[in-house]
Order: sequence, then C-alpha cells, then structure tokens
Amino acid sequence: KQEVTQIPAALSVPEGENLVLNCSFTDSAIYNLQWFRQDPGKGLTSLLLIQSSQREQTSGRLNASLDKSSGRSTLYIAASQPGDSATYLCAVLYNNNDMRFGAGTRLTVKP
Amino acid sequence: DVKVTQSSRYLVKRTGEKVFLECVQDMDHENMFWYRQDPGLGLRLIYFSYDVKMKEKGDIPEGYSVSREKKERFSLILESASTNQTSMYLCASRTGATGTRNQPQHFGDGTRLSIL
Repeated sequence: KQEVTQIPAALSVPEGENLVLNCSFTDSAIYNLQWFRQDPGKGLTSLLLIQSSQREQTSGRLNASLDKSSGRSTLYIAASQPGDSATYLCAVLYNNNDMRFGAGTRLTVKP
Repeated sequence: DVKVTQSSRYLVKRTGEKVFLECVQDMDHENMFWYRQDPGLGLRLIYFSYDVKMKEKGDIPEGYSVSREKKERFSLILESASTNQTSMYLCASRTGATGTRNQPQHFGDGTRLSIL
C-alpha cells in the first residue's frame, strides 16, 4: 500500500529558528514529490517539486531534499518567520500516476 | 500563473438536496481532480478526469458523481446530500501532456460545504 507519513503533526518554534519538516513514503517507485503549504480555510499552494532523479530543490528560504532509497524527503525552512505559520503537506506522485498526500505538519512560528 | 477557481468558498445546503460544486482552470490542463479534506483524515480523492467526458473513481466515490463536458470545467455533484458529506472540498488540476508529468499540481481555494 502506498502511504505517505509526516511527523511531527504539529511544531512550534520561535521566530528566527531553522527547522526541518519530515515526509516518508513506503513505495520507492515514485515519479516526483511535491511540498505544499496550506493556510487555514484555504487551498494548497505548491512550494517545491522534486523529480525522482533529483536530490534537492531550493526556493528562497526553502530547501527540499529527496532520498528515494530510504523513502524520505525533508523540507528545510531557514530563518523562520511568523508568516511561515501554516500547514505543510507533502504529496508523492507514483509511477502508476497515483498521487498520495501526507496528513501535514502544522507549523507555528512565534514572534 | 495557473488559476483554479472554485465557484463558492462557503455553501450551506439541506439533507437530501442535490448539490453542484463547480471548478474551472485556465491552463488547458488535461487532468482535474476532486478531493475532500477532513481533520485527521487528510486529503482523499473522490473522482478525477484525464480528458473531456472521461472520469475515474477515486478512493471515496460513493454518494458523488462528476461531469466534465468542457476541458476547463469539472463539476462535482452530490446526488442527495447527507450530513456526513459536510467537509472541505478541493479541486485541483495538472497537465497530462506527454513528457510533462513533472509539473506541479495546482489547487483551488476550496469550498467549505455544510449539510444541515
């Protein structure tokens, strides 16, 4: 069964800290992995997409890594800000065209 | 920028009503999806479509149907609404053209549907 797990479910950090969010998946036959941000009551906004052949992708203060062999991805957020507070979800697109989502990590950055 | 537009942000309906949720995308994407999102259960796929007039069941299609008469529009229909269909509904689209699977999936802002 293709499952995607995100730990922890919630994280609270003081402003300015660097932090890492984790995503793990059970089937290594992936096509790509996507990280999303979701603000309360809103839809998902795409942050980064890592292709299966890539090791990492960067956008501003965000860096996502992918280790297919171990079934893991991390989202690193540098110098966190209160505006980063949101729920972060990872989604895996498998080779069979099935996309599976993690339940998300709810991040709170305290001023 | 891709824009996925859902017709309503909030909707309140009564048990037994037929409910239509509309979604429009402006990037000529082949693939369109309907999900529902519930606390503790995450996103669950209801139906998807990979072309006009084509539809495929997702993980939880019971009680729902869909319509895709035009490429840009994908409608979700609750045939006879029930209280357990109270949820956040999210529409998404993604290109399906050959060689473009490494393009991101885009979501609408969601419709929070309450069935009374």
